[in-house]
Amino acid sequence: EAGVAQSPRYKIIEKRQSVAFWCNPISGHATLYWYQQILGQGPKLLIQFQNNGVVDDSQLPKDRFSAERLKGVDSTLKIQPAKLEDSAVYLCASSFSRNNEKLFFGSGTQLSVL
Amino acid sequence: AQKITQTQPGMFVQEKEAVTLDCTYDTSDQSYGLFWYKQPSSGEMIFLIYQGSYDEQNATEGRYSLNFQKARKSANLVISASQLGDSAMYFCAMRELGQGAQKLVFGQGTRLTINP
Repeated sequence: EAGVAQSPRYKIIEKRQSVAFWCNPISGHATLYWYQQILGQGPKLLIQFQNNGVVDDSQLPKDRFSAERLKGVDSTLKIQPAKLEDSAVYLCASSFSRNNEKLFFGSGTQLSVL
Repeated sequence: AQKITQTQPGMFVQEKEAVTLDCTYDTSDQSYGLFWYKQPSSGEMIFLIYQGSYDEQNATEGRYSLNFQKARKSANLVISASQLGDSAMYFCAMRELGQGAQKLVFGQGTRLTINP
């Protein structure tokens, strides 16, 4: 079974630039999550999708962050414009359903904003 | 609001010894799930073990067991016979299972180092 795929693995940009991350969940998983993990901290949920609908985006900085999952499969997270404090690892995860206890995580995208 | 606390920033253990990683949680919900994840230097979060709030027995998965004390609101991870490959960050997490988005909230993590 293929795992959660994320790209790119690393990204370095300057502040005020834009960046996009891509995630392809495990086949058949209806629920997709984007987490932000700042160095030395636990992951923080940014947004949760159920199929192609947003279930929770209460911690997403909507003035600069956006995410979509148009066909209910893969997803894109965008930051525009980036700030220094956005430097973090962005983790994508998926689960079979909202009630399923096990989340499967990708390897993440490490973003450095200079 | 749900909250997870891991009070041990770092732990150093000799190979083959058992180790306990502490986790306390706070929630007003009666129905919730507790998780432990391992994050090696590669960055991927690896699911280790799950305990439901209504499960009467402590969860076990191979060398991992969860010491669940509901009244104390603690969910400590016990790793038996530690191995060098166990060196990693360990995160405790909780998910309220009622109505709503059922957000998975993580603690700050504990860095475990196994010494040969």
